[in-house]
Amino acid sequence: GAVVSQHPSRVICKSGTSVKIECRSLDFQATTMFWYRQFPKQSLMLMATSNEGSKATYEQGVEKDKFLINHASLTLSTLTVTSAHPEDSSFYICSASPGQSNNYGYTFGSGTRLTVV
Amino acid sequence: AQSVTQLDSQVPVFEEAPVELRCNYSSSVSVYLFWYVQYPNQGLQLLLKYLSGSTLVKGINGFEAEFNKSQTSFHLRKPSVHISDTAEYFCAVSENTNAGKSTFGDGTTLTVKP
Repeated sequence: GAVVSQHPSRVICKSGTSVKIECRSLDFQATTMFWYRQFPKQSLMLMATSNEGSKATYEQGVEKDKFLINHASLTLSTLTVTSAHPEDSSFYICSASPGQSNNYGYTFGSGTRLTVV
Repeated sequence: AQSVTQLDSQVPVFEEAPVELRCNYSSSVSVYLFWYVQYPNQGLQLLLKYLSGSTLVKGINGFEAEFNKSQTSFHLRKPSVHISDTAEYFCAVSENTNAGKSTFGDGTTLTVKP
């Protein structure tokens, strides 16, 4: 089955530094990946759509200069949280789908717990 | 725009009892519906999905859901739960004209007690 790997699973960083999170599709190619953010005890909020070879599409209210997305290959998308602050602490999850039929349920990564101190 | 409402934030139930987790949605177009399970500090795992056809959908771990278009509902059910079913469950909707962008409900915490 489709497997999405996310790394790291946990990261602690100092305020003001940048953190990169990787999302890899291990056994399929994904032209589109999605990045979500989840606050404690809350639902997932879509942050952006990552498109291979082109710019990401950000949801309203998400700062594109703060959350940099790079989808340089068909199996890898990265999310970089720049100049992180404590309020950026959250659970970040990516998802991807094999094939062209994007609506057939997405496979989610295991998530990255970011803590900014 | 689409939205999802999970009617119960927490559902406690005893082991081997049946359970229903309720989900209602709203959308101006046809939708695809999903249920996901999330264990602590993990990503989401797809339980089942409704795309078209039969309104009764069977998924993994003995779960099933029924799509009711007139009531705009997609309730999740299991006839007999186990302790291991304790987790967070999310209902999600995706409009077929906007592939891949899912809107999630707020989640339901299912707690199975011995």
